[in-house]
Amino acid sequence: EVQLVESGGGLVQPGGSLRLSCAASGFTFSSYWMHWVRQAPGKGLVWVSRVNIDGSSTRYADSVKGRFTMSRDNAKNTLYLQMSSLRVEDTAVYYCAKETAPEAALDHWGQGTLVTVSS
Amino acid sequence: DIQMTQSPPTLSVSVGDRVTIACRASQSINYWLAWYQQKPGKAPKLLIYKASTLESGVPSRFSGSGSGTEFTLTISSLQPDDFATYYCQQYSTYPCSFGQGTKLEIK
Repeated sequence: EVQLVESGGGLVQPGGSLRLSCAASGFTFSSYWMHWVRQAPGKGLVWVSRVNIDGSSTRYADSVKGRFTMSRDNAKNTLYLQMSSLRVEDTAVYYCAKETAPEAALDHWGQGTLVTVSS
Repeated sequence: DIQMTQSPPTLSVSVGDRVTIACRASQSINYWLAWYQQKPGKAPKLLIYKASTLESGVPSRFSGSGSGTEFTLTISSLQPDDFATYYCQQYSTYPCSFGQGTKLEIK
């Protein structure tokens, strides 16, 4: 069974940093591109970033480019999102998600971790 | 960037109704479109990908159609478990983008 478990969320002040993790199991993690998607309270889904299978290529939404860094450790079956210079508008539940293959739709999602940016 | 526009934002429906949700892309995305269902407090669930391919395990009352810029999600006979918010997503071009969602409410 595919499982994605996010962790690392919490309360952080504006300008602060946080690192999210996503532990993957039940599939060959190193064979799939992975994504982060976020959802502000009461709002819709917003795509954040994507990493390819070996971590050599990443893409970001303009709203997080230069502040967030997505990476992966295939030996540990873990995905990361390093967030810095956090803003109030980054407050959201952050989901990690696995791409289908060969499609790029997102067929499995974690339960999400809440990041709250507030003073 | 490609903008995705869903309509309507909210739909008041009854069990047994045929439901259609529209999704429009600001430019052609061929058939690189997915539909997701999300219930309160839960992660989204993939229903359809490549505009019309049903994800494994998804009931056949769900169907998708369209190509280019116009897409629809149809639920042939709404069941109680289908009251949720539905999102379309384009994955033709980065950045990927979602529609703003369509919430199905009980009439």
